[in-house]
Amino acid sequence: QVQLQESGPGLVKPSQTLSLTCSVSGDSIGSGGHGWTWIRQHPGKGLEWIGYIHSTGTTYYNPSLKSRLTISIDTSKNQFSLRLNSLTAADTAVYYCARTSVGYAYADYWGQGTLVTVSS
Amino acid sequence: DIQMTQSPSSLSASVGDRVTITCRSSQTVTTYLNWYQQKPGKPPKLLIYAASSLQIGVPSRFSGTGSGTDFTLTILGLQPEDFATYYCQQTYSTPVTFGQGTRLDI
Repeated sequence: QVQLQESGPGLVKPSQTLSLTCSVSGDSIGSGGHGWTWIRQHPGKGLEWIGYIHSTGTTYYNPSLKSRLTISIDTSKNQFSLRLNSLTAADTAVYYCARTSVGYAYADYWGQGTLVTVSS
Repeated sequence: DIQMTQSPSSLSASVGDRVTITCRSSQTVTTYLNWYQQKPGKPPKLLIYAASSLQIGVPSRFSGTGSGTDFTLTILGLQPEDFATYYCQQTYSTPVTFGQGTRLDI
């Protein structure tokens, strides 16, 4: 059974950098059979796509975040990560990682999500 | 960016009802359209992908139709566990975008 688990700080200060990791079990990130995605949800709001990475190194970023965002992959640890810098309160959200099909890019397995609060 | 607009934003229904939620895209997404269900405090759950394909394990009372710019999610015979928020998502082009959500209440 595929499982994803986000990890990282729950509280980050403004202007700092957020680093989150998604640990995957039940599937091999390096196999190339799927892509891997970050999505966030502001409190009480809808879903916002952050970006995508494939084991080939292909990445796609949301242009609204691209200047502050890096998504990377570590096939040896079966993990992928997100780094978002210059944080503001507007980055306060629940961050989800998800497995994404290569074709239609639907997210079929999700982590439980981690709440990140940006506050001094 | 492709804008996704769902209607209605919220609706009330009863157990056993038939419910239809509509999603419209600002430009064609062919059939690159997915539907998710989200309950409070939980991640979204994939229901339908590629506009009309039922995800494994999802009850057959859920169905999706449409192509191009207009799509529908239908639930036949609402069950108590179906009361949740539903989102459409286009994956035709990046950035991937979601509808604003439809909250389905009892």
